[in-house]
Amino acid sequence: EAGVTQSPTHLIKTRGQQATLRCSPISGHTSVYWYQQALGLGLQFLLWYDEGEERNRGNFPPRFSGRQFPNYSSELNVNALELEDSALYLCASSRPRRNTEAFFGQGTRLTVV
Amino acid sequence: QQQVKQSPQSLIVQKGGISIINCAYENTAFDYFPWYQQFPGKGPALLIAIRPDVSEKKEGRFTISFNKSAKQFSLHIMDSQPGDSATYFCAVNNFNKFYFGSGTKLNVKP
Repeated sequence: EAGVTQSPTHLIKTRGQQATLRCSPISGHTSVYWYQQALGLGLQFLLWYDEGEERNRGNFPPRFSGRQFPNYSSELNVNALELEDSALYLCASSRPRRNTEAFFGQGTRLTVV
Repeated sequence: QQQVKQSPQSLIVQKGGISIINCAYENTAFDYFPWYQQFPGKGPALLIAIRPDVSEKKEGRFTISFNKSAKQFSLHIMDSQPGDSATYFCAVNNFNKFYFGSGTKLNVKP
């Protein structure tokens, strides 16, 4: 069984541009979470999607947005990139109605120059 | 508002020793307490987890101790090995809302 997959692995963008990150959850998982992990820091909660809807949002500006598709894959968009957006962006998924284990992908390393 | 506080920030242990990482929380609504292990350049991997109806859970060399009244839980790594060197995150969960601790960087010296 494939795990959570994220693409691309690395992404380099210029300040002011837009970045799109993608996540495919484990088969059968309907919840997708996005986290930002700045270098050497902890996991900051960004967004939670379940059954195609945004269920919860962390303390990030509106230029961080996303969506979940009917096949439960998800996309994170970051507009008007700033240098401090450089980080590892992690996606995790979990099963429906279990509200328990969350499994992480390998992450997308976003570098803003 | 920090939902879970993790300590220490870093830990150095000799090979064969016991590594202990602690977490404390405030919200009694949390009902699931996992620990994640993260190696550099990788995503966090679920290591072990506990629910509040038990006080201890052991899986191999890894043990979670849970103190519901004190709202604290800890990870014990017995016979620590250099391969255990990683960053460890505790987390708390309530109905799909996960909150992570700030992480503990463990270095096991050979």
